[in-house]
Amino acid sequence: DIQMTQSPSSLSASVGDRVTITCRASQSISTYLNWYQHKPGKAPKLLIYAASSLQSGVPSRFSGSGSGTDFTLTISSLQLEDFATYYCQQSYRTSLYTFGQGTKLEIK
Amino acid sequence: QLQLQESGPGLVKPSETLSLTCTVSGVSISTLGHYWGWIRQPPGKGLEWIGTVYHSGTTYYNPSLKSRVTLSLDTSKNHFSLRLSSVTAADTAVYYCARLFWSGFNWFDPWGQGTLVTVSS
Repeated sequence: DIQMTQSPSSLSASVGDRVTITCRASQSISTYLNWYQHKPGKAPKLLIYAASSLQSGVPSRFSGSGSGTDFTLTISSLQLEDFATYYCQQSYRTSLYTFGQGTKLEIK
Repeated sequence: QLQLQESGPGLVKPSETLSLTCTVSGVSISTLGHYWGWIRQPPGKGLEWIGTVYHSGTTYYNPSLKSRVTLSLDTSKNHFSLRLSSVTAADTAVYYCARLFWSGFNWFDPWGQGTLVTVSS
């Protein structure tokens, strides 16, 4: 399995803050890395695919970077609607997709 | 607009089989380049990929569930299904269906709203 490890597991921040979430893969996955936003009771939403491509309709304050084993999701200026749990997911090994454990972003 | 909706019993008894259907609207499930998957989230835990079924009927399953899982397509009804046998309380989760979009890279989008399945007698 390709293990995905996110840090931090939880994060408190304020509206307007710049926030960075990290995801590390247990082996190189090139840029086969996706990021999702998940709010309670809602469908997970794709934010970033292929490590740095912004999904259509997603605000430009979201950005992704990285390759190989280390990746980041950055929110440049937090908005109220951004408080949610964020997951990374590797799509390198298509016979066994794996997700990070999630990062819960809470209001400070 | 592509939409997915899960349906099925919300309560399943231990040792029985969990059966869920994902109804797709807005695109034919047999369209090339579109693949279909199931992901679940146990209470208080993260997301776990269950499996993927391709338009050809080819399937891939999470090895941890492989002996109990069956995914299938029904093109006449434009839906795909999940069957998980011999369930235990550990299978209690919100189950999501999603399209696996493939364009060189691949990702799950969109997802259904999810359906909670509780395993209890």
